[in-house]
Amino acid sequence: QKEVEQDPGPLSVPEGAIVSLNCTYSNSAFQYFMWYRQYSRKGPELLMYTYSSGNKEDGRFTAQVDKSSKYISLFIRDSQPSDSATYLCAMSSGGYQKVTFGIGTKLQVIP
Amino acid sequence: DAGITQSPRHKVTETGTPVTLRCHQTENHRYMYWYRQDPGHGLRLIHYSYGVKDTDKGEVSDGYSVSRSKTEDFLLTLESATSSQTSVYFCAIRVTPDTQYFGPGTRLTVL
Repeated sequence: QKEVEQDPGPLSVPEGAIVSLNCTYSNSAFQYFMWYRQYSRKGPELLMYTYSSGNKEDGRFTAQVDKSSKYISLFIRDSQPSDSATYLCAMSSGGYQKVTFGIGTKLQVIP
Repeated sequence: DAGITQSPRHKVTETGTPVTLRCHQTENHRYMYWYRQDPGHGLRLIHYSYGVKDTDKGEVSDGYSVSRSKTEDFLLTLESATSSQTSVYFCAIRVTPDTQYFGPGTRLTVL
């Protein structure tokens, strides 16, 4: 079993929809959580990051962490065609321990 | 822009030849990482560095070596390239425990 599980998709939604992207993990030591957006043939771009549990909002994006369930989510409101990309979750334990990535979910927002 | 450049951006080489990829950062971050990204496997850590001349192996280090003689440069060497090392290689810097930034990537093809 992988430490981080993420549905690879693809996920297709109409423009304007609310998108929910999720990852589950098994390592209870994880406390730093990140979401990356990766456009085709580009490097991953850090989108959201959060420490421990709770919600964090930035514009149309909300990152949510539920440590009791070992479950993290990224919500995208009012999705746009420009949001079409692969979204990777990532997490690590304390300090500068290695970051473990999900496999990425491919999202397509249809105009 | 996290001030990370990678060179070359594209390379085609033949089996058995040595190849060196370069990662350069413009800021003085201590932690640097080399990943490879392959379909179905996601991002996998090859090697990382936690300071000048301080390096350690990641999960897929066989056939790769690294060097860091200056804070700003982290080199990845494929000692004798094989077709299984055809991949996209990303360098990353860790700024804080919950923020890691990636370079633009190097697309390597081994024939």
